Amino acid sequence: GNSVTQMEGPVTLSEEAFLTINCTYTATGYPSLFWYVQYPGEGLQLLLKATKADDKGSNKGFEATYRKETTSFHLEKGSVQVSDSAVYFCALRSNTGNQFYFGTGTSLTVIP
Amino acid sequence: GAVVSQHPSWVICKSGTSVKIECRSLDFQATTMFWYRQFPKQSLMLMATSNEGSKATYEQGVEKDKFLINHASLTLSTLTVTSAHPEDSSFYICSAYAGQGSYNEQFFGPGTRLTVL
Repeated sequence: GNSVTQMEGPVTLSEEAFLTINCTYTATGYPSLFWYVQYPGEGLQLLLKATKADDKGSNKGFEATYRKETTSFHLEKGSVQVSDSAVYFCALRSNTGNQFYFGTGTSLTVIP
Repeated sequence: GAVVSQHPSWVICKSGTSVKIECRSLDFQATTMFWYRQFPKQSLMLMATSNEGSKATYEQGVEKDKFLINHASLTLSTLTVTSAHPEDSSFYICSAYAGQGSYNEQFFGPGTRLTVL
């Protein structure tokens, strides 16, 4: 079946620190992989995505590479800002349907 | 582009009443809409998938008579929580999916916070 396992939080970092949030997946076939971000009191926003192996998604300084050999899609940012404080969700979409599968979310707090 | 709205954003109701939540895709036609429920500090739980003009497909454990979903057009889906009880209090999020071109992904609404007294 399809599932996503995400690093548990909460994560607290100082401004300008390096961020890694681990995400691994189990899927049949060749899924597309996503990172979504949820700011307090808001819905989810797409942060970045990758649709095939070795693709790198990037946006707002965040990056994640689709690693088929390790079934991973870890999120990284070289220098976090206070405004990056949010909950981050890793997700996959099966190539056999429209359904998304979400990880449990990782709460990030960046302190000045 | 690709904006999904939800209405209302926040609702408080008495136990036993019904509440309707609307989800609209504002600038594209959504072949499929999804309804999720999110508990505090938890991930999204898919409740049901609805395709325009057909009955919704509910996930295991979700009561279809309790959570009525109607997808009457390609831009509107509604979720009605019937005879709401305090345990139904949650954050409900919809998403819309067109499945083609630049809309070949899910776009999420801002969510509706339901509080049942």
